[in-house]
Amino acid sequence: AQKVTQAQTEISVVEKEDVTLDCVYETRDTTYYLFWYKQPPSGELVFLIRRNSFDEQNEISGRYSWNFQKSTSSFNFTITASQVVDSAVYFCALSEARTTDSWGKLQFGAGTQVVVTP
Amino acid sequence: DSGVTQTPKHLITATGQRVTLRCSPRSGDLSVYWYQQSLDQGLQFLIQYYNGEERAKGNILERFSAQQFPDLHSELNLSSLELGDSALYFCASSVDGSGYNEQFFGPGTRLTVL
Repeated sequence: AQKVTQAQTEISVVEKEDVTLDCVYETRDTTYYLFWYKQPPSGELVFLIRRNSFDEQNEISGRYSWNFQKSTSSFNFTITASQVVDSAVYFCALSEARTTDSWGKLQFGAGTQVVVTP
Repeated sequence: DSGVTQTPKHLITATGQRVTLRCSPRSGDLSVYWYQQSLDQGLQFLIQYYNGEERAKGNILERFSAQQFPDLHSELNLSSLELGDSALYFCASSVDGSGYNEQFFGPGTRLTVL
């Protein structure tokens, strides 16, 4: 079963618009971690943010912000005032702590392609 | 630059062949992970090593094997290659192999099986 769902396949915006990426996850663990990664056209995966299941405080880091809501199992990510360089595929990922076998591995969503045009 | 290195960057080979992908983790990281990214399967976890020992296994085929050496570099061996094994293979590393710390990814090895 898919543990991380990113329903948006592609989002196209014009520069300076805000972009919000949706992520819904599924887990029975009480301890887990959520991540966002970015994959630009060059192909590498770049770590953006991490959030643990005990901390629902939403934060802002530069032009990035995130909204973590355990009640709806959602971990949404927003890019404010988008720029052309933000064009990439963005992945949401889950790390569970239930068993030794689960601990550490990242389970990724399918990714959302963000296209920012000038 | 994440500090994780992978070689080679590209690999083109034929069905039935065997290849070895190499990964060097970031300095100080003890855990290495391998992931496969393909169009139909997305990003899939293959296997994790921590300080030389296998820690977790994902949907890794029996034709695939990996190891982590005493100097902490890791190799992923793919044998009896099939067309469907064509993918981007990523190595990642983290400090302690726990789920808490972020994983830093290498640039990937693009494998093409003809």
